[in-house]
Parts: sequence; structure tokens; C-alpha cells
Amino acid sequence: NAGVTQTPKFQVLKTGQSMTLQCAQDMNHEYMSWYRQDPGMGLRLIHYSVGAGITDQGEVPNGYNVSRSTTEDFPLRLLSAAPSQTSVYFCASRRTSGSSTDTQYFGPGTRLTVL
Amino acid sequence: DAKTTQPPSMDCAEGRAANLPCNHSTISGNEYVYWYRQIHSQGPQYIIHGLKNNETNEMASLIITEDRKSSTLILPHATLRDTAVYYCIVNDGGSNYKLTFGKGTLLTVNP
Repeated sequence: NAGVTQTPKFQVLKTGQSMTLQCAQDMNHEYMSWYRQDPGMGLRLIHYSVGAGITDQGEVPNGYNVSRSTTEDFPLRLLSAAPSQTSVYFCASRRTSGSSTDTQYFGPGTRLTVL
Repeated sequence: DAKTTQPPSMDCAEGRAANLPCNHSTISGNEYVYWYRQIHSQGPQYIIHGLKNNETNEMASLIITEDRKSSTLILPHATLRDTAVYYCIVNDGGSNYKLTFGKGTLLTVNP
């Protein structure tokens, strides 16, 4: 298993540009989520999904869109990038059909800089 | 906001046990205590979790007080590779899959 993969690893954008951060998992996990991590801070939840076709907002959803058309993929879209979105983005997944305490698996992160 | 309180940083000598405390005084009866760690800006990695009994796995031990208001993560023989930020998280499992991360404890293992 590759686990949770994220692309790209690094990205530099100009203010106002749009882009999509990719996240994929090969563990057939129902739940997937996106977090952002600013320097010296813990992770904050942006959006999450409990299955294909179902998404919901987390703690800091403004400026981001998501969709979940397949179990494997959960892309995060920045429609008009702003410097405040400079951060490290982590994708995570877990089963929902197993034990209630199944753990979450995190990807390696995407480091985004918005100029 | 996070329901846990952890010291911002700790030091430990290589080969010694590292004991990382966490206060969760408002924990509910159905909430578990989870520990994750993050090594140098990599994605967080699961370590261990528990409800009320002490737990041990190949990575660490988790000691939960009888009143469940605090816990301690123990790395029995810390190595330089254990230098990381350690997060203590409470969560009821069930259908609440969202993890709430605080700032965690930066553990530095010194040679």
C-alpha cells in the first residue's frame, strides 16, 4: 500500500491564482480530510468527507472547495489564492466501517507559498 | 479549541525514558485519549490510544489516571529519532472522526 499520497510536495502561487492540491489513498478508507498547519501551530481542519459524494466543512473552510467523486481521491481547490493561505496542507484518511477507534493516516504534506 | 493541555517543550537524554504529560480534565466518559507525533513537519503519525486502562504497544506506553483527567505517554528508551512534536487528543471515536490538534509538546532527545 502506498498509503496516503499528496501532490505536489511544494507549490508557489501568485495572489489570485487557482490550483488544486491532490490527495489519494489506496486503503479503501471512507473518511478523508484536509488540514492546514501554520508555523508553530497545530493542525486545523479545513474540510472532510465521510464517503463519495459527501463533504462537509471543518474549522477553517473559507477560500477552499472540495469534492469527493471517488473513494480514493479528495482534491482541495483554492479558487483565488491569498497570502493568508500560505501553509502546509495535510490530507488524512481512516476507515469508518471498522472499529470506532481506527486511527487516521496522514500524507506527507504539500508546502504552499502564496506571494 | 483543544480539550487538552500539554507543556510546550521537554528534553530527554538519549536512552532514557521520556514521560510526556497531558491534562484533559473535561474528558467525557466515552472519550478516548489518542497520541500522535509529528517529526520535522512530516504528516502526523499515530502512536497509541486508550480509554481507561493502561496500554502498551511497540512504540510506547500510555498511563491514564484513575479519574481520567490526565495521562502520560512513555517512550521507554528514547532515541534521537524520537525528537518530534507530540500531540495528545481526546475523541469519542464513534462517528466523530475529526481530530482537534493543540500545539503539542516538542520533545527534544539529546545525545
